[in-house]
Amino acid sequence: NAGVTQTPKFQVLKTGQSMTLQCAQDMNHEYMSWYRQDPGMGLRLIHYSVGAGITDQGEVPNGYNVSRSTTEDFPLRLLSAAPSQTSVYFCASSYSGAGDQPQHFGDGTRLSIL
Amino acid sequence: AQSVTQLDSQVPVFEEAPVELRCNYSSSVSVYLFWYVQYPNQGLQLLLKYLSGSTLVKGINGFEAEFNKSQTSFHLRKPSVHISDTAEYFCAVTQNGGYNKLIFGAGTRLAVHP
Repeated sequence: NAGVTQTPKFQVLKTGQSMTLQCAQDMNHEYMSWYRQDPGMGLRLIHYSVGAGITDQGEVPNGYNVSRSTTEDFPLRLLSAAPSQTSVYFCASSYSGAGDQPQHFGDGTRLSIL
Repeated sequence: AQSVTQLDSQVPVFEEAPVELRCNYSSSVSVYLFWYVQYPNQGLQLLLKYLSGSTLVKGINGFEAEFNKSQTSFHLRKPSVHISDTAEYFCAVTQNGGYNKLIFGAGTRLAVHP
């Protein structure tokens, strides 16, 4: 099992550009989520999905879109990149959406917006 | 709404010394509690979790944590640290009965010196 795979690992964008961060898991997990990590702030939830076709907003959803067409994949789209979106992005998955389930994290995508 | 406060942003310690990383949480509802560890340039890995039952929980790599409901705390301890324990540690909560939406503290950077 590869676990949770995120691509790319690093990316530099110009303000206004769009891009998609990819996330795939091979554990047949129903629940997937995206977090951003900023210094001194821990991780904050952007969007989450409790199953294919079902997504919802987290704490900091503005400027991001998600979709979940398959159980395995949960891409995160930046519509028009802004310097405030410079961050490290983590995708995570768990067996179900219940709060007692441990989450499995990818290694992150380091994104810089110039 | 829940919140998590990690009382120390950095903890320096010598190898083989004991360490305690402090975590307090605030919530009007019952929560599940987690400690995750992040090694440099990696994703987060679950150390341990408290769901119910015994208030002392043991995790991987010799770590343990104690849930104290009256103090709303979940402090992480290790009796003797190694150089390899140098990492960032995150305390997190989810709502009991809610979705698996982790609320993280800001993190504590543990630096183990020889």
